[in-house]
Formats: sequence, C-alpha cells, structure tokens
Amino acid sequence: GENVEQHPSTLSVQEGDSAVIKCTYSDSASNYFPWYKQELGKGPQLIIDIRSNVGEKKDQRIAVTLNKTAKHFSLHITETQPEDSAVYFCAASISQAGTALIFGKGTTLSVSS
Amino acid sequence: EAGVTQFPSHSVIEKGQTVTLRCDPISGHDNLYWYRRVMGKEIKFLLHFVKESKQDESGMPNNRFLAERTGGTYSTLKVQPAELEDSGVYFCASSLYLSTGELFFGEGSRLTVL
Repeated sequence: GENVEQHPSTLSVQEGDSAVIKCTYSDSASNYFPWYKQELGKGPQLIIDIRSNVGEKKDQRIAVTLNKTAKHFSLHITETQPEDSAVYFCAASISQAGTALIFGKGTTLSVSS
Repeated sequence: EAGVTQFPSHSVIEKGQTVTLRCDPISGHDNLYWYRRVMGKEIKFLLHFVKESKQDESGMPNNRFLAERTGGTYSTLKVQPAELEDSGVYFCASSLYLSTGELFFGEGSRLTVL
C-alpha cells in the first residue's frame, strides 16, 4: 500500500522567511496530493492540493510542487506570519479508485515574530 | 451550515472499559471517514463509509474496534475493551465526492486509556 514520508518533523522560522516541507510517496499510482493545516484544538483543514497532471500550483503565499518521476511533492510558504504556526500534513491517494488519503506524520511549523 | 461534529471531545477511561465515539458529518455528505492520530505519528486511516456501507475498513486495527453508520447519517466508533495503545485522537471526516475532493474534518475526540 501507499506510504508517505514527511520531513522535517519540526521547523522554526522567523516571520517573513520562507518555509518548505517535503513529502515522498511510494505508490506511483497516486495522483492526488493535498496539504492540510491543523491549528491547535482544531481538525485538519485543506489549504491546497495538486493533481498529478500539474507540476505546480500557487495560492497567494502558498505553493505546492510535484515531481512525479521522483515521487515527491513539497509545500512552500513565503513571507511567513505567526498565524502560519500549525501542524502541516501532506497526503496522497489514488483518486480514480476513491481510495482513502494516506497522511504523512506532520510538520510542526513555528513562526516567531 | 454546521461542520463535522464529534463527541466527546475528550474521554479518559481505564484499560478494559468501553468507549463509544460519535461523529455527525456535514449534511448530505455520503462519504464518512474515521482516522486516528497517535502522538507524533501520522493521521492513520481506519475506515470509510459510503452512506451506511463500509467501503474500506482495511485500517481497522483489530476486532476490538467496531464502526457503524446507522441510516447513512451519523457514525459511531466503539472500542471494546480499550487497551493502552488505543490512546490518541480520533478524527472523523466527511466529503461530498468519492473520488477525491476536500475532506472536512471534525475537531477530533481525544481518547486516553489509563
């Protein structure tokens, strides 16, 4: 089955810096890669996703890149702000099969002002 | 519109006792998922309902876990008897579409087994 590895487990940056979180997946059939953000006391919330027919997707300060050949995808947050502090999870699934999302272990991002 | 709601938010029980977690998905969402996060580890898939049917229960750890979704509405996850390793946060999520799309998560039910 699918296995998703996520690095780093913790990341501390200064406000205004960029943050990058990387994930690798094992199943080459996976074609849907969402990123979820979990704030303290809340459930994970989708922030951006990418499908395998696209190499990069941006939404304001966040972007996701996908390298299908290497089977890895990354989340990029620019101009970080204290409210970006949270746990970020990457995930992968095979959309046509309707398979469940398989998540990475999460990255705790701390943005200090 | 109400989001996914879970109850209880936190439960503390002794080893060997029984606990039942409840999830109310977003109205109209046929797909309902249960996930669990043990501290510091991944959010691990447990099972997936489509309406009242179990679409995929490959993530259920053992037969001490029983999930139901009566009438295709709310779902319950019962752990009986609970063991120490069952401690963690149990998330419920729902979605409108089967073949991917946003999962809407509840805030989770934290289970502590002593």
